Amino acid sequence: GENVEQHPSTLSVQEGDSAVIKCTYSDSASNYFPWYKQELGKRPQLIIDIRSNVGEKKDQRIAVTLNKTAKHFSLHITETQPEDSAVYFCAARGGGATNKLIFGTGTLLAVQP
Amino acid sequence: GAVVSQHPSRVICKSGTSVKIECRSLDFQATTMFWYRQFPKQSLMLMATSNEGSKATYEQGVEKDKFLINHASLTLSTLTVTSAHPEDSSFYICSASPDPIEQFFGPGTRLTVL
Repeated sequence: GENVEQHPSTLSVQEGDSAVIKCTYSDSASNYFPWYKQELGKRPQLIIDIRSNVGEKKDQRIAVTLNKTAKHFSLHITETQPEDSAVYFCAARGGGATNKLIFGTGTLLAVQP
Repeated sequence: GAVVSQHPSRVICKSGTSVKIECRSLDFQATTMFWYRQFPKQSLMLMATSNEGSKATYEQGVEKDKFLINHASLTLSTLTVTSAHPEDSSFYICSASPDPIEQFFGPGTRLTVL
């Protein structure tokens, strides 16, 4: 079935450094790839997304890249700040009629001040 | 825009009772809503897809008779956990889609079954 793998499971960086989280998906028909940030006990918040017809998208300190051939996509956070500390989930939308999202296993990002 | 509410935020119940959770899209119509379950330190696991006016589609391994879903209007879906047991204790989150692509999440419901 459809699967999304996410690495690393935990990531600790110093404030000001960059953080990169990588995901791999299995369904070659997937066409939408959102990234969510979830703080403890709260809802996932969409932080950036990319569609399959685009290779890269940026929004201030956050960027996402997509390699359709390799079925990889990555989240890049530059100039990290302590408030970036959270769990980050990638997801992929399958290519079928449903807009069901398959989520990665999550990355706990800790930004050390 | 794209605000989704969920009620209640927390519920504690006794084993064997049923609990209903509501998910509402406040400023858009949602033909499709999704229900997820999230155990501590784990990812979101899709339980079912709820379509307005039709039966929900359940993921493999999710008991449809235990987790009853009703999507009676374009802004409301409900999840009823019937005969809840301690192993059903979890964080239940809904999401709603204003279009075929994006999903916006509710704040979640923390269910504790004693």
